[in-house]
This record gives sequence, structure tokens and C-alpha cells, in this order.
Amino acid sequence: SAVISQKPSRDICQRGTSLTIQCQVDSQVTMMFWYRQQPGQSLTLIATANQGSEATYESGFVIDKFPISRPNLTFSTLTVSNMSPEDSSIYLCSGRDRLGYGYTFGSGTRLTVV
Amino acid sequence: GNSVTQMEGPVTLSEEAFLTINCTYTATGYPSLFWYVQYPGEGLQLLLKATKADDKGSNKGFEATYRKETTSFHLEKGSVQVSDSAVYFCALSAGTGTASKLTFGTGTRLQVTL
Repeated sequence: SAVISQKPSRDICQRGTSLTIQCQVDSQVTMMFWYRQQPGQSLTLIATANQGSEATYESGFVIDKFPISRPNLTFSTLTVSNMSPEDSSIYLCSGRDRLGYGYTFGSGTRLTVV
Repeated sequence: GNSVTQMEGPVTLSEEAFLTINCTYTATGYPSLFWYVQYPGEGLQLLLKATKADDKGSNKGFEATYRKETTSFHLEKGSVQVSDSAVYFCALSAGTGTASKLTFGTGTRLQVTL
């Protein structure tokens, strides 16, 4: 199955700033997804990253706050913009394996906003 | 819409005890079903999956059978170890394209003691 490298693994950021999280896949995946996992909670889908076009956002998430890029089949970024303490969370990317093994996840980015 | 219901945790067991974590789902069509495990401080790892009714997924001593008649995918292990302590997520995917996103249950924390 695919292997996803996600970075940074963690960061502490000032309120009002932005952080860009990167995910690199070692093989082509058909779909890429970005999730948020708040402390002690399950995963909430932010958006589906579409290659070469605008991401598809879930209810409650907007492009101005979480701009996403996917320039090719193996790379995607999520930016958390104008951060507030409420954005403190773990952010995870995921790819749907082209060969049908399932969905692989990056190791996550633990974000703390102060 | 699609949904996954998991038994609430935490579940605390002694080493070598039998484990069952219940999972039921609601979905249109014929979803694929997954169990993911999240060890402390790490991302999600695919534990096992099943793609059609009566399929049994298995890995590392864990098993789950896709039961269409009861819309269930319960996770079992005959003898747990301390190293199995983690959070376990049941999930499903159904449809194609952006509809193929994963829908997660709330997660069940397992704590195994000596």
C-alpha cells in the first residue's frame, strides 16, 4: 500500500498566523483527503483534494480558512489560515490507494495555537 | 447519509482476555468496511478491511466479519496484549469519487493491563 509522508509533525503557532501542512505520497493515489481530529475525538473530514482543481469542502469548512492544493497525484497541502486557539488539533491527510488496499494516512500534524 | 456507531470506551482488559468492540453501520448501497488503529501519538493504521458481505478481515490476531443482515462489523481478538492498547476506529466507504470518503465511528479506547 501507499506510504504518506506528512510534515511538520507538530508545531506551535501564534494566533493570527497561518501554517501549511504538506503530504507526499510514494505512489499515485486516486483521491486525497484532509481530516481534523480534535483532542480525544474522532476524525472529521475537512475536504477532498482534487488534482488540478478546487477542493471539495465538507459542511462547516471553507476555502478561505483551509485552502488546499493538489498539483499532482502524489502531493497535497493544507493551509490553516488566520489561526485561533480553536484550531488546535491534529490534522491528517489520507490517500485512497489506486490498487484498492484501502486508505492510507499520514502520521498527522499536531498543531497548537497560542 | 452514511454513519458508523461504535461501542463507547474506554475498554479496560487484562492481558490475554477476549476482546470485542461492537460496530454497526448505516449506508446506502454496499459499503466497504474498515478497522483502523491509532497508537498514542501516532497516525491511523489500517488494521483490517472487508469489501463485501460475509468477508472476514483479519490481521495481527484481530478479526471482523462483514454482516450485512445485522449491518455490523464487530472487531474481535482472542487474547489481547499490552501492546494492543490504542484507539480503534470503525469506518466505512461507499460510492465513488468524492463519495468514496471514509466515515468514521467515534473510536474506542482500549487499555490492556498486566
